[in-house]
Amino acid sequence: DGGITQSPKYLFRKEGQNVTLSCEQNLNHDAMYWYRQDPGQGLRLIYYSQIVNDFQKGDIAEGYSVSREKKESFPLTVTSAQKNPTAFYLCASSIAGGPQPQHFGDGTRLSIL
Amino acid sequence: DQQVKQNSPSLSVQEGRISILNCDYTNSMFDYFLWYKKYPAEGPTFLISISSIKDKNEDGRFTVFLNKSAKHLSLHIVPSQPGDSAVYFCAARYGGSQGNLIFGKGTKLSVKP
Repeated sequence: DGGITQSPKYLFRKEGQNVTLSCEQNLNHDAMYWYRQDPGQGLRLIYYSQIVNDFQKGDIAEGYSVSREKKESFPLTVTSAQKNPTAFYLCASSIAGGPQPQHFGDGTRLSIL
Repeated sequence: DQQVKQNSPSLSVQEGRISILNCDYTNSMFDYFLWYKKYPAEGPTFLISISSIKDKNEDGRFTVFLNKSAKHLSLHIVPSQPGDSAVYFCAARYGGSQGNLIFGKGTKLSVKP
């Protein structure tokens, strides 16, 4: 079945460490997105990519980095510069251009040890 | 400042009755609105959408109404079922944008048997 796979589902990080969250999709979508959700909050956009080898900062990009070397993959690195990394991270993809719904993975919960 | 607001954090409804979830927005440049449903520890699932050129869209038990003059949209679920219990997010897209969405904070719906 087509879909978006995020791994791992739970991730623990020590302070000062970088950690990379995986996102893979087999929907043949051009656009991919990373969001962060905190308790009682909506989804906030971290980074997005409309095409391979190109990506743009969202509203809360500080302390995060991404790459888009393949259409299917959009990994997110949470760096040690991110001061409050504990959150639920969601990856999404969509057909690029025009009003299209974004489809989401099941998320990765990141916690600081 | 929040551009998409869901002012009711929670809503409780009896099974078989109508659920009405509300969403207000401030930016008149939004051209496409979506509703997502989210269960705990899972990614949001796309439910229904509406273009700004329409005032109603229906899909089975779900109907979305858009009132552009009031900058208000609502999601009606009829009849409500216990399986509808989840957090519902309203989202809006800037006209002509690259597909980026602005999300509300969500409303937790509880449907009691």
